[in-house]
Amino acid sequence: DGGITQSPKYLFRKEGQNVTLSCEQNLNHDAMYWYRQDPGQGLRLIYYSQIVNDFQKGDIAEGYSVSREKKESFPLTVTSAQKNPTAFYLCASSDRTGGLDTQYFGPGTRLTVL
Amino acid sequence: AQSVAQPEDQVNVAEGNPLTVKCTYSVSGNPYLFWYVQYPNRGLQFLLKYITGDNLVKGSYGFEAEFNKSQTSFHLKKPSALVSDSALYFCAVRVMDTGRRALTFGSGTRLQVQP
Repeated sequence: DGGITQSPKYLFRKEGQNVTLSCEQNLNHDAMYWYRQDPGQGLRLIYYSQIVNDFQKGDIAEGYSVSREKKESFPLTVTSAQKNPTAFYLCASSDRTGGLDTQYFGPGTRLTVL
Repeated sequence: AQSVAQPEDQVNVAEGNPLTVKCTYSVSGNPYLFWYVQYPNRGLQFLLKYITGDNLVKGSYGFEAEFNKSQTSFHLKKPSALVSDSALYFCAVRVMDTGRRALTFGSGTRLQVQP
């Protein structure tokens, strides 16, 4: 899982509650990403950020929000507007050095709605 | 729009036998192609990637993949499977020369290696 940390490992949310998932990287990567993983569906992109103070919606951004105030941090907030938030959330980062741009992933956060 | 298909939900192979996990892709433009592996309740680990050049790409843990442009495929292979190779494997694609650096993933293939 390299230099990417995600916390908490497990998170439980009540209906109508906002929760924030943490993602930190010490790889000095410029780009960071959030994906959602559901059984049998692979990973789907929620948000991504290619530079500090800038981010773009991915394919399933509704009900989520992000910020990118620091290069090493990209927190994801799951809002009450997200109707089916139970899933495994994965954060990744990448760097264009040498044109490689390979994404490296954190260990994930499993979110369960009670 | 770009997409990735992994036609097999599960692949079963005996230890010591060769293994193949299939992946086909659809993009407008030249693709970057990746393979990742995931162990239970863990993040994804990078195995290998194709950018350009030699169609046979060698990666971690003895895995390799062959890029076939005419068949739009990027199958993952290993000459001799190990029980420890049992995991969930994802193929992913990104189009070169576009602003979006995020990956599009296939639905995953579970590899089961029997002793």
